[in-house]
Amino acid sequence: GAGVSQSPRYKVAKRGQDVALRCDPISGHVSLFWYQQALGQGPEFLTYFQNEAQLDKSGLPSDRFFAERPEGSVSTLKIQRTQQEDSAVYLCASSPRLAGGYNEQFFGPGTRLTVL
Amino acid sequence: AQTVTQSQPEMSVQEAETVTLSCTYDTSENNYYLFWYKQPPSRQMILVIRQEAYKQQNATENRFSVNFQKAAKSFSLKISDSQLGDTAMYFCALDSGGSNYKLTFGKGTLLTVNP
Repeated sequence: GAGVSQSPRYKVAKRGQDVALRCDPISGHVSLFWYQQALGQGPEFLTYFQNEAQLDKSGLPSDRFFAERPEGSVSTLKIQRTQQEDSAVYLCASSPRLAGGYNEQFFGPGTRLTVL
Repeated sequence: AQTVTQSQPEMSVQEAETVTLSCTYDTSENNYYLFWYKQPPSRQMILVIRQEAYKQQNATENRFSVNFQKAAKSFSLKISDSQLGDTAMYFCALDSGGSNYKLTFGKGTLLTVNP
């Protein structure tokens, strides 16, 4: 079956622009995660959804970052007034059951955001 | 807070040989889960192997095995009979269980398998 997909794969934004990154999880997956991966670093947790409920947004770096998953499937990560430090790969992952423990997270290919 | 440390930024190995990637971690939880993920160049991250902390037996998946030392908080990955397709970034990750469902990743080790 289809894996996790993300769009766009690449995004170049001028500083101050708003961007929206989309994640299509594997159909039926309950849990959805967003991670930020800076160049040369491991992914860092941003936020977590269980169905449509955003249960943890503790990793969002500032109030310029906003995520939603209104119908419990597709998710959008929005970054307002982008800054150069927002340049990174944004990874989406989904998991078939409630998060945590032994459950494997299935990752998408990521969106590489470059802010000029 | 959870931390994961991978002290080898880069490693290389000859095809068909064995290589071990190191990982240490810290958590105050007693029951947690450890993972190794592989991220090939320009491709998405995939799970290689996972280990539940309460299981003493080391996990194995074909050519991949782990050496889990709970007291030392060490979780190394051994790749046997290395293949060119094993060339990738390898990330060690920790899920502390309980209400902490997020994965905490190390900085990764770039493994290059040479022909």
